[in-house]
Amino acid sequence: GQNIDQPTEMTATEGAIVQINCTYQTSGFNGLFWYQQHAGEAPTFLSYNVLDGLEEKGRFSSFLSRSKGYSYLLLKELQMKDSASYLCARRTGANNLFFGTGTRLTVIP
Amino acid sequence: GAVVSQHPSWVICKSGTSVKIECRSLDFQATTMFWYRQFPKQSLMLMATSNEGSKATYEQGVEKDKFLINHASLTLSTLTVTSAHPEDSSFYICSARDQASGTDTQYFGPGTRLTVL
Repeated sequence: GQNIDQPTEMTATEGAIVQINCTYQTSGFNGLFWYQQHAGEAPTFLSYNVLDGLEEKGRFSSFLSRSKGYSYLLLKELQMKDSASYLCARRTGANNLFFGTGTRLTVIP
Repeated sequence: GAVVSQHPSWVICKSGTSVKIECRSLDFQATTMFWYRQFPKQSLMLMATSNEGSKATYEQGVEKDKFLINHASLTLSTLTVTSAHPEDSSFYICSARDQASGTDTQYFGPGTRLTVL
């Protein structure tokens, strides 16, 4: 398998910051993607990392460490609409995307 | 971002019939499209990679004769579920690869919910 691991569920408070971690198999690595998926809908693209470091895009940031096979998605100033599943996906050299099981985030008032 | 459409958005069919699902890239050309299946509360599982003008590449465990894929143009791929059975009921999602963008990103269609009675 692709050995993509992320927590199954997380809960955070509106206005807070939450970090969702993802570890993956490093061999054949060709990029790390984060997608958001609301129940019953298709995933929407959030971020892409191929080099080490932090990519910031508004309230969302994503970090990558290739040597450690580790990434995280950081969500700031949480809003109720951020309640969704967050999918970590690893791209292979063949340009296929393999997804983790997703982290179901619940934002509470 | 790039837009990908799928049709139909949902379909109910009888066991033994065939169902065709269309995936279109609306504002970009996609030489490569992907078909995924997602069961409730599970992640997306890649079924096959669809390449324009050539045969699809299927993932291990996916029957190519049951899930027929055709990618006849740079903006359209179709998935036909042949002789559908209740266990084929699932959420089928396509994605299209936008190589013109700097990130070479896959954009997903809205999905098709298939229910086989």
